[in-house]
Amino acid sequence: GQQLNQSPQSMFIQEGEDVSMNCTSSSIFNTWLWYKQEPGEGPVLLIALYKAGELTSNGRLTAQFGITRKDSFLNISASIPSDVGIYFCAGQDTSYGKLTFGQGTILTVHP
Amino acid sequence: NAGVTQTPKFQVLKTGQSMTLQCAQDMNHEYMSWYRQDPGMGLRLIHYSVGAGITDQGEVPNGYNVSRSTTEDFPLRLLSAAPSQTSVYFCASGTGGYGYTFGSGTRLTVV
Repeated sequence: GQQLNQSPQSMFIQEGEDVSMNCTSSSIFNTWLWYKQEPGEGPVLLIALYKAGELTSNGRLTAQFGITRKDSFLNISASIPSDVGIYFCAGQDTSYGKLTFGQGTILTVHP
Repeated sequence: NAGVTQTPKFQVLKTGQSMTLQCAQDMNHEYMSWYRQDPGMGLRLIHYSVGAGITDQGEVPNGYNVSRSTTEDFPLRLLSAAPSQTSVYFCASGTGGYGYTFGSGTRLTVV
């Protein structure tokens, strides 16, 4: 089946630093999604990407859909303590309703 | 607008017991799906539905049944609970390629 490799697995950074994480896939996706999960909650959608090469921002977050359609990255600029959580990438092919998730990146921000 | 509602939030089962995890959405979404989340493994798709009366298996379907008689509801049934089914279960709904909304999860322990 499809697999997503997300890296890094965890990050410990100082408040104000920039963060970068990425996902690579063994197969092509038509849509890339980035989610954030806080303790005790379900994932919340941050950014959705629909076209190869697309670069999309949401406040301090920027994500890109790789040209090969097999990868995506998420950048967070000027991190703040409330950025703490687990960030997941997810890919969707032509089968709507099915998402394939990466293993997640655990982000810790020290004040 | 409640979004995606999952019940119960917590459950403890004995090995061999059966139960149903409830999921309801009020957004008239076509697509609904169930995921389980285990440490270090991201979210894995159990079953999904592309509309009322239509369901299909995901990556880890064994031991689980689903049905979708209405657009709003998508219950997940554990037929005979096993310790390996101890996990956090998330239900999600969406309209296709535009991201999915997740519930807050059901934390299940099988002893």
